[in-house]
Amino acid sequence: NAGVTQTPKFQVLKTGQSMTLQCAQDMNHNSMYWYRQDPGMGLRLIYYSASEGTTDKGEVPNGYNVSRLNKREFSLRLESAAPSQTSVYFCASSENRGFTEAFFGQGTRLTVV
Amino acid sequence: KQEVTQIPAALSVPEGENLVLNCSFTDSAIYNLQWFRQDPGKGLTSLLLIQSSQREQTSGRLNASLDKSSGRSTLYIAASQPGDSATYLCAVSYNQGGKLIFGQGTELSVKP
Repeated sequence: NAGVTQTPKFQVLKTGQSMTLQCAQDMNHNSMYWYRQDPGMGLRLIYYSASEGTTDKGEVPNGYNVSRLNKREFSLRLESAAPSQTSVYFCASSENRGFTEAFFGQGTRLTVV
Repeated sequence: KQEVTQIPAALSVPEGENLVLNCSFTDSAIYNLQWFRQDPGKGLTSLLLIQSSQREQTSGRLNASLDKSSGRSTLYIAASQPGDSATYLCAVSYNQGGKLIFGQGTELSVKP
């Protein structure tokens, strides 16, 4: 009964380092999303993927890249981390037909020093 | 611009009280609206999903209503318990399988 799984749960990076956040879902959903959550800003969409092989920018895409590796997996990459990217990152998935709810992972808490 | 607002930002009530959380959205042409619960340091748990054609949804002690014409939704929690303490988030979608636009949440504290 895994749902949406994110790794790692915590990460500390130095400015300029790169890393990839991993996300996998086992619900056979077509759509996957990456959000960031910051105090006072709420959750903001970084990138999303409506289906395997497609990705689109959200509200705050600068400094990030994504890969929809297959239907299950959607990764988020920080090429050169900056302190402004310190945040909690959430991956989510949903079906893109009908009125279906979105399911979220447990989050990755990233600190860039 | 499509925006979602939740008022109040924080709410403290004694155990047993019935309460209402508010959500408003600027563009009434929503596809659906979803209420989430978030415990400190945790992910989001879906509570209720209301389709644009529906007026309300119920799950246990929770009841969510939707008034598209006025751009509002409310989450009613009956007989609140300390275990209900969490942040409650409202989010709207404007198309099928589309991205969610979130409010900033209401932090609820239920005192024993």
